[in-house]
Amino acid sequence: ETGVTQTPRHLVMGMTNKKSLKCEQHLGHNAMYWYKQSAKKPLELMFVYSLEERVENNSVPSRFSPECPNSSHLFLHLHTLQPEDSALYLCASSQDGTRDNEQFFGPGTRLTVL
Amino acid sequence: AQKVTQAQTEISVVEKEDVTLDCVYETRDTTYYLFWYKQPPSGELVFLIRRNSFDEQNEISGRYSWNFQKSTSSFNFTITASQVVDSAVYFCALSEAPEVRATNKLIFGTGTLLAVQP
Repeated sequence: ETGVTQTPRHLVMGMTNKKSLKCEQHLGHNAMYWYKQSAKKPLELMFVYSLEERVENNSVPSRFSPECPNSSHLFLHLHTLQPEDSALYLCASSQDGTRDNEQFFGPGTRLTVL
Repeated sequence: AQKVTQAQTEISVVEKEDVTLDCVYETRDTTYYLFWYKQPPSGELVFLIRRNSFDEQNEISGRYSWNFQKSTSSFNFTITASQVVDSAVYFCALSEAPEVRATNKLIFGTGTLLAVQP
């Protein structure tokens, strides 16, 4: 495995379902991120974890719940979503606190909420 | 406030043409980083380049080149002799310089969709 992986790649769920998105990074980084990418909008930063501690929560609705059990894994738990939550959800990782601060992204999970 | 503007929403060129993607940024920080990412149809954002605010040298990597102009707050990206495989959405992004334990928040532009026709 290389880089940043995300599962599932595609997800269709109803508004009453509960599902989780998974992200795993194999780069030895210490920071992980969730972004939402909607059509014709800039990427929106949702959550940031650094050293497994949440350091950023950009006013994201509580129906999105992140979890970072260790520096290599990041989850996004979803429940009672709305159709407007349909988007591409991207995970990224970086080495926080260093000059080599570029973020490396996974392929994303394409989420459709019916 | 930090902001990145990519005024070109879509560009279409024919293979072998040169194309320049524009990026204009706003920041009050004196130390910052600029990035370009490529997002092919597969969805994954691919890191292309990072440039810090103290280094205004232009950079060339194969068919790719970047022109950083602090005087105009621009960081433009040129693809020479474009190929069909260059078709993707390209994002410019801005980040404050990291401090110890700070996180590297990226401010993205809205992206430019480049279509290279055979």
